[in-house]
Amino acid sequence: DGGITQSPKYLFRKEGQNVTLSCEQNLNHDAMYWYRQDPGQGLRLIYYSQIVNDFQKGDIAEGYSVSREKKESFPLTVTSAQKNPTAFYLCASSIGTLNTEAFFGQGTRLTVV
Amino acid sequence: DAKTTQPPSMDCAEGRAANLPCNHSTISGNEYVYWYRQIHSQGPQYIIHGLKNNETNEMASLIITEDRKSSTLILPHATLRDTAVYYCIVRANTGGFKTIFGAGTRLFVKA
Repeated sequence: DGGITQSPKYLFRKEGQNVTLSCEQNLNHDAMYWYRQDPGQGLRLIYYSQIVNDFQKGDIAEGYSVSREKKESFPLTVTSAQKNPTAFYLCASSIGTLNTEAFFGQGTRLTVV
Repeated sequence: DAKTTQPPSMDCAEGRAANLPCNHSTISGNEYVYWYRQIHSQGPQYIIHGLKNNETNEMASLIITEDRKSSTLILPHATLRDTAVYYCIVRANTGGFKTIFGAGTRLFVKA
């Protein structure tokens, strides 16, 4: 089945450690996105990529890094520089930049202790 | 900030129509209205989108006012499984999906 997969669903890390969240899609979509969601809040854009080997910062990119070496994969690294990393992280993809819906993964809940 | 305004919560009786309003008074001519919903601790699910004409699919109907400053998502026969947070967003038809999602409307469907 085609879809977008995030792993793991739950992740625990100690403060000061970098952690990488996985996002893989087999929808042949060009564009991929990372969002952060805090309790009771909407989604805020961290990074997005419209094509392989290219990505741009979203509204809250500080303390995060990404790579887009393959069309199918868009991993997000939460670095120790992120002041408040505990959150629900959502990855999405879309066919391209034109009128189209985005498909979301099931999310990774990161807890930093 | 999100360019839409939605009520924070609404109730609906099971089997009745749920009408979720959204104001987007600053919408531009090339911006579409999209609706997504998010069931607790899951990723958002696409529902429907439109530009200026009313739209209908197997999940819902979207009614956009003639001046495009507001819209209503209609779930014709709400079920308990429709309890979720519903997001109304506006985005241009270019530039990808960079839109900020606001807090949405939390719909409670009651038996």
